[in-house]
Amino acid sequence: EAQVTQNPRYLITVTGKKLTVTCSQNMNHEYMSWYRQDPGLGLRQIYYSMNVEVTDKGDVPEGYKVSRKEKRNFPLILESPSPNQTSLYFCASSSLPTLTERGEQFFGPGTRLTVL
Amino acid sequence: AQSVTQPDIHITVSEGASLELRCNYSYGATPYLFWYVQSPGQGLQLLLKYFSGDTLVQGIKGFEAEFKRSQSSFNLRKPSVHWSDAAEYFCAVGVYNFNKFYFGSGTKLNVKP
Repeated sequence: EAQVTQNPRYLITVTGKKLTVTCSQNMNHEYMSWYRQDPGLGLRQIYYSMNVEVTDKGDVPEGYKVSRKEKRNFPLILESPSPNQTSLYFCASSSLPTLTERGEQFFGPGTRLTVL
Repeated sequence: AQSVTQPDIHITVSEGASLELRCNYSYGATPYLFWYVQSPGQGLQLLLKYFSGDTLVQGIKGFEAEFKRSQSSFNLRKPSVHWSDAAEYFCAVGVYNFNKFYFGSGTKLNVKP
């Protein structure tokens, strides 16, 4: 089954304790992206990657890191989490866009993170 | 700066009634426009998308949207709402070669029996 998986689904942690949220897709997609969802703000893009070793900042990259060492995986790293990073996080993947076509982004189930 | 505005935070309609959800965007060039739906506790599902061609696009679940360049709008419509349509709806734009995305704040749809 084609899917995007995220782990963990729920995480409660404390300020300053490094954490990683994993994201994996089995559709051989080149493009992957991370979003955070907060009430009243919709989804905001954190980082995206167009291929292995190619990443770029989205709208709200501060406090986050990403890496893309393999095509299927795109982990989100919070080196020193703070309470304002409490949010619902979504990973998404898609085929690479062309000049005139942008394939559907497939979203993972989400990771609810609470930073105390 | 790019932005997407969904002016209605909550909308309640009766089952069987028509629906229109509003979306306005701000972007200098023609963006790639999307509507997504999110059911409670779920991820996002694409309803429809528009980049060029016919300005009225059809999507899944009986939804359609109309792109109006003069109004910078991309409103979502459905002629007859079903109780299962109760969810949160997000409008989004893809810019910069469609790699960066901006989402609206969402509209929560309630459906009265």
